[in-house]
Amino acid sequence: DTGVSQDPRHKITKRGQNVTFRCDPISEHNRLYWYRQTLGQGPEFLTYFQNEAQLEKSRLLSDRFSAERPKGSFSTLEIQRTEQGDSAMYLCASSLGGSREEQYFGPGTRLTVT
Amino acid sequence: AQSVAQPEDQVNVAEGNPLTVKCTYSVSGNPYLFWYVQYPNRGLQFLLKYITGDNLVKGSYGFEAEFNKSQTSFHLKKPSALVSDSALYFCAVRDDTGGFKTIFGAGTRLFVKA
Repeated sequence: DTGVSQDPRHKITKRGQNVTFRCDPISEHNRLYWYRQTLGQGPEFLTYFQNEAQLEKSRLLSDRFSAERPKGSFSTLEIQRTEQGDSAMYLCASSLGGSREEQYFGPGTRLTVT
Repeated sequence: AQSVAQPEDQVNVAEGNPLTVKCTYSVSGNPYLFWYVQYPNRGLQFLLKYITGDNLVKGSYGFEAEFNKSQTSFHLKKPSALVSDSALYFCAVRDDTGGFKTIFGAGTRLFVKA
């Protein structure tokens, strides 16, 4: 068990460009979450997958954001036409579910939009 | 709608003294409650949870928390603080009404002075 990994750890992009982040959850975890965290705030829920199905998506998530988990293993989060307000830490977490609700977080991808 | 409040931005305590980090919540159904800790330059780590059962739950590193349904609180406690406990602490909640959205508080920075 190597924990949750995220790639890249840092991304600097120009406004208007598209970016894609990857998350590899703990292998036996069927639940996967994406969050966004800005300085001085707690993680903000973006979306949730159970296996390959995206079961919940925040209303705060604009149409520029999309996430996939094609085979129920790794997941990608894409942001199209990035804006400066998208600059944040993007966190991925996974959990077993059932009585094991606790989430295990990856180190995050820090996005800077210039 | 779900919400979490951590009323203190920072808690200062002397090493060896007891510590309390406060959390109150609001959910529609029954709460699933969590505490996470974030050390500098490290990812969020799970500390403890309340799902059901005993109101006093024990977690990692000697921390415990008490679920109080009437006061809708889930305060984090430790009998004797260590300097190494200095970190950012987040309370989180989701409810049991079928959604998977987890709401995090804004965080409380704990500073333990030697």
